[in-house]
Amino acid sequence: DSGVTQTPKHLITATGQRVTLRCSPRSGDLSVYWYQQSLDQGLQFLIQYYNGEERAKGNILERFSAQQFPDLHSELNLSSLELGDSALYFCASSVVSGGADTQYFGPGTRLTVL
Amino acid sequence: DQQVKQNSPSLSVQEGRISILNCDYTNSMFDYFLWYKKYPAEGPTFLISISSIKDKNEDGRFTVFLNKSAKHLSLHIVPSQPGDSAVYFCAASDEDAGNMLTFGGGTRLMVKP
Repeated sequence: DSGVTQTPKHLITATGQRVTLRCSPRSGDLSVYWYQQSLDQGLQFLIQYYNGEERAKGNILERFSAQQFPDLHSELNLSSLELGDSALYFCASSVVSGGADTQYFGPGTRLTVL
Repeated sequence: DQQVKQNSPSLSVQEGRISILNCDYTNSMFDYFLWYKKYPAEGPTFLISISSIKDKNEDGRFTVFLNKSAKHLSLHIVPSQPGDSAVYFCAASDEDAGNMLTFGGGTRLMVKP
C-alpha cells in the first residue's frame, strides 16, 4: 500500500459525458501528479500540482482539467468524453516538486467510455 | 519521439537466476532514474532509483546500474523469485524541469519455478 488513494476504482460512462476522478496523496506529500495509461500510449504524464498550484503540464487534452484543494487532495475532470479516453488513470504523490524526489502511485481508476 | 525505451517487451528467467532488465534514454537532461514494478490492474510500485551522480545503487536483491555515456540503465534482480513476475517500467526525470516522469514501454518479466 503506497498510501495514495484513488476513487472510484472503476467508472463506466457514455461518450459526451463528464466525470471526476479523485486522489488523496500520501500524508505529508505536497505534490500530486496525474498519469494516463492507455493500451497504445503507455504511461503518459498529464499534469502536476504542488501545494495547490499547477506546476507542470504534459500531454493533457483541453477537455481535461485538474485542481488541488487546500487539504491537498486532487481531482481530475474529464469532459466531452470520447471512446479513446478509455484508459487507466493514475495519481502519484511526492514530498516536493522537483529534485530527486520519488513518486508513489495510487491503485488507479479504470475509465471505460461506451 | 520516445525518450525512454525498453527494447525487450518480455523476459523469461528461471527461479534463482539473475534477471537483467534494460532501459535506454535519449534526453541527456535526465538526471534521476527510477524502476517501478506493476501488476495488472494495480498502480506502479516503486522499486529503486538512482541519481545521475552515481553509477550503481543497491537495495537487497535489486541493483540498478547507470551508464551515462551510453545513456543506458539496467536493473538486476538476484536471485529471481516467482513473485517477481510482473511488468517493470523504467522512468526518468529532469530535476530542473520539474519532477514529471517519462516512462519506458515496460518489460514483462516471467520467473519460472
